[in-house]
Amino acid sequence: GNSVTQMEGPVTLSEEAFLTINCTYTATGYPSLFWYVQYPGEGLQLLLKATKADDKGSNKGFEATYRKETTSFHLEKGSVQVSDSAVYFCASYSGGGADGLTFGKGTHLIIQP
Amino acid sequence: KAGVTQTPRYLIKTRGQQVTLSCSPISGHRSVSWYQQTPGQGLQFLFEYFSETQRNKGNFPGRFSGRQFSNSRSEMNVSTLELGDSALYLCASSLRLAGTDTQYFGPGTRLTVL
Repeated sequence: GNSVTQMEGPVTLSEEAFLTINCTYTATGYPSLFWYVQYPGEGLQLLLKATKADDKGSNKGFEATYRKETTSFHLEKGSVQVSDSAVYFCASYSGGGADGLTFGKGTHLIIQP
Repeated sequence: KAGVTQTPRYLIKTRGQQVTLSCSPISGHRSVSWYQQTPGQGLQFLFEYFSETQRNKGNFPGRFSGRQFSNSRSEMNVSTLELGDSALYLCASSLRLAGTDTQYFGPGTRLTVL
């Protein structure tokens, strides 16, 4: 079946630092890829997505590029803020199967002022 | 536009009991998916309903069941509760089938089994 692997953290950075959270996937065919964010006490929010190879998703300063060759979808942000502290989930969806969205374990990001 | 709502937000049950959770999707959305979130297993897909039909099912025992009504509201039922069923249960709705469209998540129902 499908699987998604991401660094679990916690990842602790200082404000204005550069962020990379790695995500790799295994799937049949060419899945759609997503990054979701979960702030404390809240549900999941879609951060960005990409539906085909070489697509770049972007939102709120975050970016991720769908790399078919390396089966990766790494999340990046040039300058993080304290308000970015949250848990970030990478997910894939192949469609038509029994898996629904397949999530990584989540990466807890802590930004210190 | 109102978001996805889930009721109740918190629930405490004892082993052997059964429980029903409710999810109201965003108006106009026809797909509702359910997920279980635990510290050990992370987020796992339970099932997806679209136009009152179960379209996909994850790898969970038959104690976990669901249904969707004509107004797209969905319920999830867990019978004969076990301690390991303690989790945050999230539902998500989308306009079309999940994967072809963005899913919007509710805040979840926190189930504690004693």
